[in-house]
Amino acid sequence: DAGVIQSPRHEVTEMGQEVTLRCKPISGHNSLFWYRQTMMRGLELLIYFNNNVPIDDSGMPEDRFSAKMPNASFSTLKIQPSEPRDSAVYFCASSTHLGYSNQPQHFGDGTRLSIL
Amino acid sequence: DAKTTQPPSMDCAEGRAANLPCNHSTISGNEYVYWYRQIHSQGPQYIIHGLKNNETNEMASLIITEDRKSSTLILPHATLRDTAVYYCIVRGPISGNTGKLIFGQGTTLQVKP
Repeated sequence: DAGVIQSPRHEVTEMGQEVTLRCKPISGHNSLFWYRQTMMRGLELLIYFNNNVPIDDSGMPEDRFSAKMPNASFSTLKIQPSEPRDSAVYFCASSTHLGYSNQPQHFGDGTRLSIL
Repeated sequence: DAKTTQPPSMDCAEGRAANLPCNHSTISGNEYVYWYRQIHSQGPQYIIHGLKNNETNEMASLIITEDRKSSTLILPHATLRDTAVYYCIVRGPISGNTGKLIFGQGTTLQVKP
């Protein structure tokens, strides 16, 4: 079975550029999560969606970050303009039934982002 | 959400059982205990979860104490590929943390030959 698919796996760009990270959740999953991992802060939740609707974006660091989920099989996380402190590994995860805490989240392999 | 406490690191000999402890003394009755692991350069991998009863799957066993204040993840025959950071997470229902997984620092398990 295909897991959560993220692209690109690696991204290196200069500060000020727009960065778009992509995620395809597991088919049939109706909840999608974006996380960021850094050495300093560990793994932290940025935003999550249920049935394509953003539920909680309190983890989004600032207005430069935005996320969309236009359909059940695709989501994007955009940073505009990017800054060196945005350098991190960004993970996408999906699960079924957000309303039930006994459904595990399954993670993609992440996008390693470096802003120069 | 209930917080968890894990030792920062542990070693285990290859082929032996790895027992990873987790304290969650403030857990409430409707919160599940989840275990994930993260192998270097990969995304977190779901291992197992439980509410009250002990659980076992093809990867591991989860032993939860009767008072639910602590649990132990058991990898019955550790291999070098089990070297990873292991996260114990307490997760509540939608009325609480709305399904969020809050990752702490975890336990770095080093399996040695």
